[in-house]
Amino acid sequence: QKEVEQNSGPLSVPEGAIASLNCTYSDRGSQSFFWYRQYSGKSPELIMSIYSNGDKEDGRFTAQLNKASQYVSLLIRDSQPSDSATYLCAPWGTDKLIFGTGTRLQVFP
Amino acid sequence: SAVISQKPSRDICQRGTSLTIQCQVDSQVTMMFWYRQQPGQSLTLIATANQGSEATYESGFVIDKFPISRPNLTFSTLTVSNMSPEDSSIYLCSVEFGTGNGYTFGSGTRLTVV
Repeated sequence: QKEVEQNSGPLSVPEGAIASLNCTYSDRGSQSFFWYRQYSGKSPELIMSIYSNGDKEDGRFTAQLNKASQYVSLLIRDSQPSDSATYLCAPWGTDKLIFGTGTRLQVFP
Repeated sequence: SAVISQKPSRDICQRGTSLTIQCQVDSQVTMMFWYRQQPGQSLTLIATANQGSEATYESGFVIDKFPISRPNLTFSTLTVSNMSPEDSSIYLCSVEFGTGNGYTFGSGTRLTVV
């Protein structure tokens, strides 16, 4: 079993729709969870962090965490073509970030 | 967040040679991390570099192939030694600001081995 699993996609959504990105992880000791966005040819950029069960909202982004199910998700509301990128889930254990394979999101006009 | 300068941004190297990648941070940090991103893949942690101690390597990565230096709290280098085409990847350095606050990444080094 991979440490962090994500659907590689591509996930295609129309402009204005909600994009839902999912991630499961195996390390129950993970304490913090991060979502990174990576545009093609660029380095990853941190867009959301979540530390406790429930939802955390930041603008058009909502992160959801369920530690019992070892599941974390990212919702992007009112998706824009500029949101087209690869989204990487990264749980943080005791001393390092482990990245999932990433989900490629395509938002079409 | 801090600014991370990484160089070179890209290089094309002959097989059998070595390349040293430099990472400079504009503030002091305890740990620096080196990742590899192979074409079309996610990020894989190579090693963690603490100032004043030997780097800690992840499974599948060894010091002879990827020696790391960490001479002070703002600088680190990663060397890719005796390169083969399989080493063609993007190499990224990253730092953590505050425990559990996520990492910031440098702009990366795109390495092509021919």
